[in-house]
Amino acid sequence: ETGVTQTPRHLVMGMTNKKSLKCEQHLGHNAMYWYKQSAKKPLELMFVYSLEERVENNSVPSRFSPECPNSSHLFLHLHTLQPEDSALYLCASSRLRPATSVTGELFFGEGSRLTVL
Amino acid sequence: AQSVAQPEDQVNVAEGNPLTVKCTYSVSGNPYLFWYVQYPNRGLQFLLKYITGDNLVKGSYGFEAEFNKSQTSFHLKKPSALVSDSALYFCAVRDIGANNAGNMLTFGGGTRLMVKP
Repeated sequence: ETGVTQTPRHLVMGMTNKKSLKCEQHLGHNAMYWYKQSAKKPLELMFVYSLEERVENNSVPSRFSPECPNSSHLFLHLHTLQPEDSALYLCASSRLRPATSVTGELFFGEGSRLTVL
Repeated sequence: AQSVAQPEDQVNVAEGNPLTVKCTYSVSGNPYLFWYVQYPNRGLQFLLKYITGDNLVKGSYGFEAEFNKSQTSFHLKKPSALVSDSALYFCAVRDIGANNAGNMLTFGGGTRLMVKP
């Protein structure tokens, strides 16, 4: 138990479906992240929210839409995905404040395995 | 800019033998360094970190890592490997000298450790 919970753990969707991935952290952190992990590829940072504001978007296609309603919850809304979007999507959280005591390690959820048919 | 290199895609070790998983980094300032482990279809689990102080850092499951500033390396080691150590290992760096609003960690490409009985 890492304190970061992702649902669903597995998702199969067609290219025309709309679905969402959910992440919830119980660690009192104030930054949350979405990573994509494909077979034989390094971890790809998709989105970063710091204090509920997006601070990083690494040129992710618009068919992925993040939402961070508060510091404990993070969503990734999916629509009209492509088969190459099939991957393990990992959520993580970290602490940002106070800066003097922050070392920056991330705490990851177990991931949501997405298959796009 | 910060970067991490894990030069080996896979490391094979016999059970009971010592293991080393290599990591080198590049930062403009001083680094915070991390090791994570990932078991199949799971998220990343934090193993250990170097922030300051002793160059030899001890972490979970009997793992340790040695920070070498002159060689810009942070190799992961264990004196006696177990079959259950077989997993994917990621090295990560955070440049504490950089303007790093999201506390970004940069991950290496990962090294698969195979421990054979």
